[in-house]
Amino acid sequence: DQQVKQNSPSLSVQEGRISILNCDYTNSMFDYFLWYKKYPAEGPTFLISISSIKDKNEDGRFTVFLNKSAKHLSLHIVPSQPGDSAVYFCAANSHPYSGSARQLTFGSGTQLTVLP
Amino acid sequence: EPEVTQTPSHQVTQMGQEVILRCVPISNHLYFYWYRQILGQKVEFLVSFYNNEISEKSEIFDDQFSVERPDGSNFTLKIRSTKLEDSAMYFCASTADGPNTEAFFGQGTRLTVV
Repeated sequence: DQQVKQNSPSLSVQEGRISILNCDYTNSMFDYFLWYKKYPAEGPTFLISISSIKDKNEDGRFTVFLNKSAKHLSLHIVPSQPGDSAVYFCAANSHPYSGSARQLTFGSGTQLTVLP
Repeated sequence: EPEVTQTPSHQVTQMGQEVILRCVPISNHLYFYWYRQILGQKVEFLVSFYNNEISEKSEIFDDQFSVERPDGSNFTLKIRSTKLEDSAMYFCASTADGPNTEAFFGQGTRLTVV
């Protein structure tokens, strides 16, 4: 049951250009979305998030867009740098019941390679 | 900058043995989690812990698994009788209070069951 899908396992982009990573979800209960970056043999590192009440959130070179009607979000990195090369995970957060801890449901990840 | 720390970084164990994976979450965080990632697969939720009890657990988290917060700082995951398919990276995470807060992850423990 893939509630969060990242259909592109890999993406290559030239340095300085825009990287666009996509993510789709199926569960309407998801109300908070996050992007994590992961290097090999390290834990996921939080990048940027967006609440379902917004359609855009920007932090420096990173912008996340949310289209609730399409159940789609994307991460834009502009300009891309070689140090951005990593696996990017989309994750969604739901609040099953009041007072509960929130669990993250992860996508399968997209390997971004930024070519110098 | 505060961080989640996990020990050991790599654990090799024989099938059927018990293992304990240790985590020190960020000190003012209230919610604690274990996730795992089998090689080549997704990061999967195992269990969440709040107010000294399990908040939620996935179907992966069966009777062989348990979690504990034995003191004010450590958060442990115990696997009673390891199986080959338990081999994975295990990530501990913690979050602060509030509805929309990001989870901070540790560096992970690579568990290899032989």
